[in-house]
Amino acid sequence: GQQVMQIPQYQHVQEGEDFTTYCNSSTTLSNIQWYKQRPGGHPVFLIQLVKSGEVKKQKRLTFQFGEAKKNSSLHITATQTTDVGTYFCAGRNNDMRFGAGTRLTVKP
Amino acid sequence: KAGVTQTPRYLIKTRGQQVTLSCSPISGHRSVSWYQQTPGQGLQFLFEYFSETQRNKGNFPGRFSGRQFSNSRSEMNVSTLELGDSALYLCASSLPSLDGELFFGEGSRLTVL
Repeated sequence: GQQVMQIPQYQHVQEGEDFTTYCNSSTTLSNIQWYKQRPGGHPVFLIQLVKSGEVKKQKRLTFQFGEAKKNSSLHITATQTTDVGTYFCAGRNNDMRFGAGTRLTVKP
Repeated sequence: KAGVTQTPRYLIKTRGQQVTLSCSPISGHRSVSWYQQTPGQGLQFLFEYFSETQRNKGNFPGRFSGRQFSNSRSEMNVSTLELGDSALYLCASSLPSLDGELFFGEGSRLTVL
């Protein structure tokens, strides 16, 4: 069945450093979504990518969808303490499958 | 508008018991999906419902079941609880589009003793 792998599982950075999480699917995806879950909270939608090779930016966040629509990445430039949380990718084939998430901690 | 509402928020059960969790989607949302979240496992897909029909089902044993009512509210049931069923159960609603973003509720945290 469809599997979505996400790495790394944890990332600890100094404030101001960059951060990247990677997502890879065993099957071609119709779209990929990214969510952020703050500690103690629930996942909140960040963005959706649909087109092959698509790149979208939200301020310091850059999202990419691979050419084969099987992989994606989220890059945060110059992390801030407010970026703390777990970032999940979610790929849709028939249903929406989530990666295991990357837990980001930021040291001020 | 009101968000996704899940009840109960917290519950404690013992092994062998059963539990029913409820989810009220955002008004106008007809698609509801359920996820199990455990530390290190991310969100595991349980099922997805649309217009009272189960559209997709994840790789969980038959002890996990769900349904959706005509008003789009959904319930999931877990029978013969096991210790490993302890988790946060998240419900998400979305518009009936395969491209729709998911709106999550706060979750129901189940502890099985």
